[in-house]
Amino acid sequence: DTAVSQTPKYLVTQMGNDKSIKCEQNLGHDTMYWYKQDSKKFLKIMFSYNNKELIINETVPNRFSPKSPDKAHLNLHINSLELGDSAVYFCASSRSGGYGYTFGSGTRLTVV
Amino acid sequence: KNEVEQSPQNLTAQEGEFITINCSYSVGISALHWLQQHPGGGIVSLFMLSSGKKKHGRLIATINIQEKHSSLHITASHPRDSAVYICAVNPVLGGGADGLTFGKGTHLIIQP
Repeated sequence: DTAVSQTPKYLVTQMGNDKSIKCEQNLGHDTMYWYKQDSKKFLKIMFSYNNKELIINETVPNRFSPKSPDKAHLNLHINSLELGDSAVYFCASSRSGGYGYTFGSGTRLTVV
Repeated sequence: KNEVEQSPQNLTAQEGEFITINCSYSVGISALHWLQQHPGGGIVSLFMLSSGKKKHGRLIATINIQEKHSSLHITASHPRDSAVYICAVNPVLGGGADGLTFGKGTHLIIQP
């Protein structure tokens, strides 16, 4: 069983579209995250969320919004996609304090 | 200047060599992580350290909190160790919920 699964693995879409990436974890972790890996392979936090609090990196455009229907899911919705949004997006989860960090396999988003 | 600095950026070595990758950070942390990413692949957590030393197989990670420095060592390196190794920290004020801050990674190639 995959611990942190995200779908789709690849996403190609046109500028201006709205898209979502789904993430689910079956580890019982209480905190989930979205990270962006740019073309230079540098990783940066976008959001962290536990069932009490959403923490947003202030550099993330408000076109990006996390949605958590329950503790095991944290989906990423992106409005009005731009060329610069092309990147690999990783979902991750952990227990409180950052223990047991587990990453999903990534979603490669290409905006054309 | 990035809050987490790694060296070297690139490292090519022969099979069997002892490998050291260094990480320095400039913020207070609650923990430090070493991650591994294979080309085109996902991210795997190797170690989480808050003090001292940890060993797993041929991998050893150490941290010196006073000096804000960590090292990842690989003994008897093998071509399958070829990957990008990423140092990441939990900033102390975040309590783990703010996500990780990453170094730019060390691209390691082990030649047969």
